[in-house]
This record gives sequence, C-alpha cells and structure tokens, in this order.
Amino acid sequence: QVQLVESGGGLVKPGGSLRLSCAASGFTFSDYYMTWIRQAPGKGLEWVSYISTSGNTIYYADSVKGRFTISRDNAKKSLYLEMNSLRAEDTAVYYCARDHTITMIQGVKPSYYFDFWGQGTLVTVSS
Amino acid sequence: DIQMTQSPSTLSASVGDRVTITCRASQSISSWLAWYQQRPGKAPKVLIYKASSLESGVPSRFSGSGSGTEFTLTINSLQPDDFATYYCQQYNSSPWTFGQGTKVEIK
Repeated sequence: QVQLVESGGGLVKPGGSLRLSCAASGFTFSDYYMTWIRQAPGKGLEWVSYISTSGNTIYYADSVKGRFTISRDNAKKSLYLEMNSLRAEDTAVYYCARDHTITMIQGVKPSYYFDFWGQGTLVTVSS
Repeated sequence: DIQMTQSPSTLSASVGDRVTITCRASQSISSWLAWYQQRPGKAPKVLIYKASSLESGVPSRFSGSGSGTEFTLTINSLQPDDFATYYCQQYNSSPWTFGQGTKVEIK
C-alpha cells in the first residue's frame, strides 16, 4: 500500500534552517510528481512546493521562494525540503503528498491534485 | 492567484442529514477542482476530483458538482465518520490554492 512518512521536523529559532524528508513506499516513486503542503496550527492548507518526476521542473509558493528548496532522490525513493531563513509564520505541520500523475505512452502528466498524503511533521519556529 | 471561498465555515448537522458545502473560485477554473476530508489530527484525504469524479474507495454518499466558479460537495445521509473539516482545492493554475475549510460538527 502507498505510504509516505515525513521526518525532520522540530523546534528551530527564527533565521534557522531545517531539512525535511519524506520516505515513499508502495508505489513507483520515480513515476510521480511530488509536493509539500503545510498547515499552520488551527488553520487551513497551503501548497508550498512541487517537483517533477526527474526534478527538472520545480514550483514554489511566493511565501517560500528563495528560502526553501525542494529536491528528490528517486534511487532512495525520498523527497526533501530544505528550509532556510525560517520565520515564525513558517510554523506548521508539513505534509508530503503525491500528485495524481498519469502515465502515458508519451510520458507522465501531472494532475496537480493530491491523491496520497503522509501524516505530517511539525515545524515550530520560535525563539 | 485564484482565491477559493467556502461556505459555510461551520455546519452543524445530525447523523442521517444531507449536507451541502459550497466553494467559489475568484475566476473560472473549468472543472479543475478537488475536495478533501480532514479528520482531527489526520492528513487530508481526497474525496472528489475534476469537480464530480469520485475517488476510488470513497463512499457513494459523497458527490460533487459544478463548473466555472461555483461548486458544491454534497454528503447524503451523514455518517459518524463524516464529522470532519472539508477543503476544496483548485488545480487550474499555479499557485494551487485551497478554500479555508468547512467544519461539519455534530448538532
């Protein structure tokens, strides 16, 4: 069965850095676009970043552009989010999610909605 | 950015009730809309995609409709497991945005 397990969250001071990981299993990781989505305590969902199957195409929300870096290692079936210059407003549960990517003869096509989610890892930015 | 607005923010209902949640987009998104359910302390789960297509394994009491800028999620015969928060998400264009959520509470 599809599993996504996030790790790496914790307490960090403003201006600090953190690296989140997401270990995937139960599906062919290299065939799927992947994404990070976050949820501040008691708040709604905010899309953060997207990465293509090869890692060549990447998107970021304006709120994290220039501070966060998404990457993936298909051999390790892992997704990463490097977070720098962290701010209090980055405090949230960070979810790794799988895009509903469609495989066609010509290649893969992302759908840009999310069909499986991990359980999340909490990042707290506070002094 | 496309803004997604859900109504109501909170809905009180009883087991067996039919409930409807509305989601409005600030511009046309065709049918590129998904609905998610999030139970307390859990990750969201997709229910509906492309406005009205039921995700595999989701009970048929859930249904979606709409296109353009106005969409609805309907739950027929509300079950105890359905008390949760529901989010819509547009995937017409980046940045992919969510509604603020609708919490379905027990009356």
